[in-house]
Amino acid sequence: GAGVSQSPRYKVTKRGQDVTLRCDPISSHATLYWYQQALGQGPEFLTYFNYEAQPDKSGLPSDRFSAERPEGSISTLTIQRTEQRDSAMYRCASSPTASLGEQYFGPGTRLTVT
Amino acid sequence: AQSVTQPDIHITVSEGASLELRCNYSYGATPYLFWYVQSPGQGLQLLLKYFSGDTLVQGIKGFEAEFKRSQSSFNLRKPSVHWSDAAEYFCAVGTTSGTYKYIFGTGTRLKVLA
Repeated sequence: GAGVSQSPRYKVTKRGQDVTLRCDPISSHATLYWYQQALGQGPEFLTYFNYEAQPDKSGLPSDRFSAERPEGSISTLTIQRTEQRDSAMYRCASSPTASLGEQYFGPGTRLTVT
Repeated sequence: AQSVTQPDIHITVSEGASLELRCNYSYGATPYLFWYVQSPGQGLQLLLKYFSGDTLVQGIKGFEAEFKRSQSSFNLRKPSVHWSDAAEYFCAVGTTSGTYKYIFGTGTRLKVLA
């Protein structure tokens, strides 16, 4: 595609519900990153994929958070049993290189847990 | 621990004035440094990056940044600000300790007065 897309753009859910966020990276990009961005803060690393491998998930806040990229393309971030503190902007970025380089960010999903 | 500090939360400048946004990092090895800009409702866009070589790097939209190892700084500059530069600016360091990930600062919000 032309850029990184994320869906939904906005999600409101009740506490205790599960949510799944989707990221569609630029086609053929090797790496895909997930970030959580609280209001007034910079993006905080959650996890990343190198194709379908997930070398680092150290930033996931708890075991309620999980991510997949089964075919090395589209990725999902799932939050189980959501809590109010999970409310944030969730951003996805992809990069053509397997090492450090320019990241192309999607517009983000604004999650609100009520 | 690795960290990025952006000391200025908000900066206001007049259109046509010069701009400098500060960024300090803490990282033991040679840093990979980035500046991103985030406009409202948009994803982050890369302005410039420093990996090695010339410590003064040029980016898009007339921005430049200078890497100063002795000061652990990577300040962003622009000689003459345009109203369209109003946005939030994030400094980031890329780490290579085992895996590749990015640590972002908390951002500086730039307001431009006509």
